Amino acid sequence: DAGVIQSPRHEVTEMGQEVTLRCKPISGHDYLFWYRQTMMRGLELLIYFNNNVPIDDSGMPEDRFSAKMPNASFSTLKIQPSEPRDSAVYFCASSPLGPSAGELFFGEGSRLTVL
Amino acid sequence: AQRVTQPEKLLSVFKGAPVELKCNYSYSGSPELFWYVQYSRQRLQLLLRHISRESIKGFTADLNKGETSFHLKKPFAQEEDSAMYYCALRLLKAGGTSYGKLTFGQGTILTVHP
Repeated sequence: DAGVIQSPRHEVTEMGQEVTLRCKPISGHDYLFWYRQTMMRGLELLIYFNNNVPIDDSGMPEDRFSAKMPNASFSTLKIQPSEPRDSAVYFCASSPLGPSAGELFFGEGSRLTVL
Repeated sequence: AQRVTQPEKLLSVFKGAPVELKCNYSYSGSPELFWYVQYSRQRLQLLLRHISRESIKGFTADLNKGETSFHLKKPFAQEEDSAMYYCALRLLKAGGTSYGKLTFGQGTILTVHP
């Protein structure tokens, strides 16, 4: 397994543009998480899914952010419209149930720069 | 709500010196605590979890419920230990099963000088 796959790895866009980040979790994992990493706040949980259903989206900053998981092998995080303060590294992670529950497997991240 | 605090953003030590990365948490129930590490140009990955009670790469961490701490320690730091370290917490339900959500601290960048 190639692990969690995220795209794009880097995105530079202008304020007001729509940004879509994509994630393919590890096959068989029941949980999918979206985190945002900044120097000031560290790793913040934005939203997580269990079996494709959003469980907790209380970390989503505002209505400009939305996330979907249409099936077990794909999720998107969308920002519309984007703002400079959204610049960060966005991580997707997946996790199985069972004895390994609690170990998150992270993607390489998508570095977003909003000018 | 649960909270994880890592008071040091940056920590520098010399090779061979002891190192301790601090982590405090606030939660009244039973938590699971973890340390994750991100080496340069690598993915964030699990280093250790308190329920395993094992030493990984010479690191250990003991859960102190009285002080609500889970500090990460290593007696002799190596240059390859230089990385970003995150402490994380997950809630345990009464029956021992877990909520999926993992809450991370702000992270500590450890630099080990030669």
